[in-house]
Amino acid sequence: NAGVTQTPKFRILKIGQSMTLQCAQDMNHNYMYWYRQDPGMGLKLIYYSVGAGITDKGEVPNGYNVSRSTTEDFPLRLELAAPSQTSVYFCASRAQEGPYGYTFGSGTRLTVV
Amino acid sequence: KNEVEQSPQNLTAQEGEFITINCSYSVGISALHWLQQHPGGGIVSLFMLSSGKKKHGRLIATINIQEKHSSLHITASHPRDSAVYICAVRKGAQKLVFGQGTRLTINP
Repeated sequence: NAGVTQTPKFRILKIGQSMTLQCAQDMNHNYMYWYRQDPGMGLKLIYYSVGAGITDKGEVPNGYNVSRSTTEDFPLRLELAAPSQTSVYFCASRAQEGPYGYTFGSGTRLTVV
Repeated sequence: KNEVEQSPQNLTAQEGEFITINCSYSVGISALHWLQQHPGGGIVSLFMLSSGKKKHGRLIATINIQEKHSSLHITASHPRDSAVYICAVRKGAQKLVFGQGTRLTINP
């Protein structure tokens, strides 16, 4: 199994540009998450989804949008990139409620200049 | 004050030493997770605990719900154990609150 696949691994954006961070999982997990990790800080939840067609905001959703048209894919859209969005972004998934851990993608390092 | 506090923030030890990383939390939780972040940045889930103790290879994780405290132990540490270890607690169904991590360096 590939697990959780994130693309791209690195990206440099100019202020005001837009981009989509891709996330795909092949484990048929219902729950998917987007986190950002800033230097010296714990991960913060941006958005999450409990199934296809259902998304909800996390702690730091401003400046981002998501969609979940299929179980496998959970893209994160940045509109009008700002320097404050410079971070490392992680996508994660888990199977369902109960004693199950998380599977993380390898991360996307985004720099906005 | 952070809801999840880890100690120490940095730990350097010699190969073979017994390692303990601590995590204290101040909120009600449904589960506690220990994660490992490699120098390259990838994150791996090590344990999920809701009570008691779990062991996987040289790693042992314990949790004391009454004291709101968890520990991660590494026996016979090895340089390949060098990584950032992150404690995260699950509040409710979906929210994970992360500690800031403990940077572990094991010297040969």
